[in-house]
Amino acid sequence: NAGVTQTPKFRVLKTGQSMTLLCAQDMNHEYMYWYRQDPGMGLRLIHYSVGEGTTAKGEVPDGYNVSRLKKQNFLLGLESAAPSQTSVYFCASSYSRKDHSSGANVLTFGAGSRLTVL
Amino acid sequence: KQEVTQIPAALSVPEGENLVLNCSFTDSAIYNLQWFRQDPGKGLTSLLLIQSSQREQTSGRLNASLDKSSGRSTLYIAASQPGDSATYLCAVRPLGNKLVFGAGTILRVKS
Repeated sequence: NAGVTQTPKFRVLKTGQSMTLLCAQDMNHEYMYWYRQDPGMGLRLIHYSVGEGTTAKGEVPDGYNVSRLKKQNFLLGLESAAPSQTSVYFCASSYSRKDHSSGANVLTFGAGSRLTVL
Repeated sequence: KQEVTQIPAALSVPEGENLVLNCSFTDSAIYNLQWFRQDPGKGLTSLLLIQSSQREQTSGRLNASLDKSSGRSTLYIAASQPGDSATYLCAVRPLGNKLVFGAGTILRVKS
């Protein structure tokens, strides 16, 4: 049982380059999220999805795009990377908020993707 | 706008001590509150989740309480061990879908 898998784990980009981070979960979770974590700050939500084919903006969506073509995958794209996007990116997933069973709503996180933009 | 604050930002204690980590939030209209542990260079691991209707949750040496009306939660760690050294994050889920995180408390337990 892999849980939430993020690829790649590390990446160095030059300003203006584009790239895609992949998140895959095998728990049949409806909800998926992309966060970024910066020193001294809490995790900030970039985009999220409440189901296949749906996406929504989070707290800091600018400069990022996402897609959820399959329920198990949530892709985060950087269209034109900037040094301000240097960060550690975390993907997470959970069951629907409407599921009140034991363990529901607990977020499961991936191990993170460290991105450096030069 | 929901804001989550964790105090202290860092804590260093000798092994065996009982300790309390604090989390406060500005809007009491939450669905649940979750405590996470993060080891250096790793992802977050969920420790405890408290639904808004609950007052506390326990798992082993960990006990988390929730006082929704005052906007506070505490994470109590009994008989701390060096293996407890990590960053502890608190996150609240408002009535929407967007989890809001605190900046975390860095805990170091000295042997």
